[in-house]
Order: sequence, then structure tokens, then C-alpha cells
Amino acid sequence: DGGITQSPKYLFRKEGQNVTLSCEQNLNHDAMYWYRQDPGQGLRLIYYSQIVNDFQKGDIAEGYSVSREKKESFPLTVTSAQKNPTAFYLCASSTDTNSYNEQFFGPGTRLTVL
Amino acid sequence: GDSVTQMEGPVTLSEEAFLTINCTYTATGYPSLFWYVQYPGEGLQLLLKATKADDKGSNKGFEATYRKETTSFHLEKGSVQVSDSAVYFCALSETTDSWGKFQFGAGTQVVVTP
Repeated sequence: DGGITQSPKYLFRKEGQNVTLSCEQNLNHDAMYWYRQDPGQGLRLIYYSQIVNDFQKGDIAEGYSVSREKKESFPLTVTSAQKNPTAFYLCASSTDTNSYNEQFFGPGTRLTVL
Repeated sequence: GDSVTQMEGPVTLSEEAFLTINCTYTATGYPSLFWYVQYPGEGLQLLLKATKADDKGSNKGFEATYRKETTSFHLEKGSVQVSDSAVYFCALSETTDSWGKFQFGAGTQVVVTP
């Protein structure tokens, strides 16, 4: 079955540590996205990538980094510079970035800073 | 900039009741409109979409009509079930800077009781 996988489902981090969240898709989609979700709020865009080896900052990129070395993979690193990293992180992909194409979401990773 | 406003939740209903979730938007151009559903601890799933004015999206008994004159995309279902309990997100995507950026509403929690 085609879809998006994220791992791990739960992640605990000590302050000052960098952590990397995995996102893999087998939908053959060109575009991939990372969002952050906080309780009672909508999704906020962290980074997006329209094609391999290219990515752009979203609305809240500070303290995060990404890479896009393969079409199917778009890992997100939460660095120690991110002041409030505890949140639910969602990865998504779409065929391309045309506005009429829906985004498909993974199951999410819940990150907690101890 | 573009934005999406949804009615605040939680919305509590009895089984077989009629559900309406209001969604209005502001956009400079002609966005595509989407409804997503999120079950506890999971990612978002596309429920329905509409890409131009007067289009009606429908799926699993849910419907929404793209009303350009009132800039609205209200979600409706005639008879809800307990399994419809979830958080519902309205979203728009408009081509800006050569790609379709999604803007999500804050989400509306729906609780359906037996």
C-alpha cells in the first residue's frame, strides 16, 4: 500500500539535544512538507521541498533543518536552537505543488522535551 | 495574507443529528478548498475538496460547497455517527510564489454521543 511513514511515533529529548524525525513516502510524490501542530491550533509550515535537492523555509523554520537527498525521504532535524520544540510533527506529500492538489499526511511524531 | 476561520469547538451532538461546521476564508485569488479530518493521535486525512466556485465536494456523507460570493466552505453531514467524532480542519491552497501553499484553520473538535 502506498503511503507516508513517520518514525518514531513518540520521541523524548533532553534539552540541548538535536533529534531527527524520519519521513518516508512511496507515493512517488515530488513535493514534501513538514508541519508543526500545537494543541488547539492549526498546522504551521516548517519547511517544504518541491523537488529533490531543493527545499524552502516555511513560516516557522527557525531552529529546524531538513534535507532532501532522495525523492522518497525528507527528514527533519529539531535543533537545540528551537526554543519550544514540544509538539506534534506532521509530514505530508503531494504530487506537485499545484494549488489544487491535496496533501497526504503521515501519522505524525509526538516530540516531548524533558 | 490568506487565512481560514472555523467555528470554535467542541461541537457536541447526539447520534443521527445534523452537523454543520462553518468555514470562511480570505484570499487574494482563486484558492482550492479542502476539508481534512484528524482522529486522536493520527495524521490528517482528506475528507473532500473543491477547486472552483460552486463546486460541491462530497465523501462519506459529508458535503461542502465552494461559495465565492460569501467566501465560505461550510461542512455538513445529515446524520452523524459516533465514529465521526474527530477534529475537522478547513484549509485553502492558493498559488503564490509559484507554489500552492496551504493555510489551515484552527480545527473544530466534534464529539458525537450515543
